Amino acid sequence: DQQVKQNSPSLSVQEGRISILNCDYTNSMFDYFLWYKKYPAEGPTFLISISSIKDKNEDGRFTVFLNKSAKHLSLHIVPSQPGDSAVYFCAAVSGTYKYIFGTGTRLKVLA
Amino acid sequence: DTGVSQDPRHKITKRGQNVTFRCDPISEHNRLYWYRQTLGQGPEFLTYFQNEAQLEKSRLLSDRFSAERPKGSFSTLEIQRTEQGDSAMYLCASSRGSGTGNTIYFGEGSWLTVV
Repeated sequence: DQQVKQNSPSLSVQEGRISILNCDYTNSMFDYFLWYKKYPAEGPTFLISISSIKDKNEDGRFTVFLNKSAKHLSLHIVPSQPGDSAVYFCAAVSGTYKYIFGTGTRLKVLA
Repeated sequence: DTGVSQDPRHKITKRGQNVTFRCDPISEHNRLYWYRQTLGQGPEFLTYFQNEAQLEKSRLLSDRFSAERPKGSFSTLEIQRTEQGDSAMYLCASSRGSGTGNTIYFGEGSWLTVV
């Protein structure tokens, strides 16, 4: 039972354009959501998070949107840069400790 | 503020041998997590410590796996009688321990290859 789903395994975007990565969840009890970026052979690096009481959080080029009624989360990267090429994971948690991760979306930003 | 540190970064071992991984969390973080990641998958929860207490263990953590966090500082994850299916990246993460909505920060991971 996959509670957090990233249905697009890969995405290619031109440099300078917007990258939109999507994530769906099934557990309405999730109250905190996070996005991580991962390069090969490294651990995930935290990017941005959002509490369930908000619908948008912005940090520089990264914005996360939360649609609770649709149980949908998205990460927007504007403008995309070649250094953004990596695998992106969304994660969700209900309570204090069991963070559930999606399977990731590989983003490739083309120069 | 140093990040989460894991050692060793890579380990190749023969099937049946025991291996141990160490994790040093961010110094002021009292919560510590172990995750496992295989190719094409996201990190999967293994276990969680609040200070020295192990509060949750996933069913993924068979009786060959044991984790400790003596004195609530560093943690070790030991795998006994390794099997080829144990080959994965083992990730440690830590967070502050107040209520909910905490961000967890990962270390660089420890790659295990069982041959």
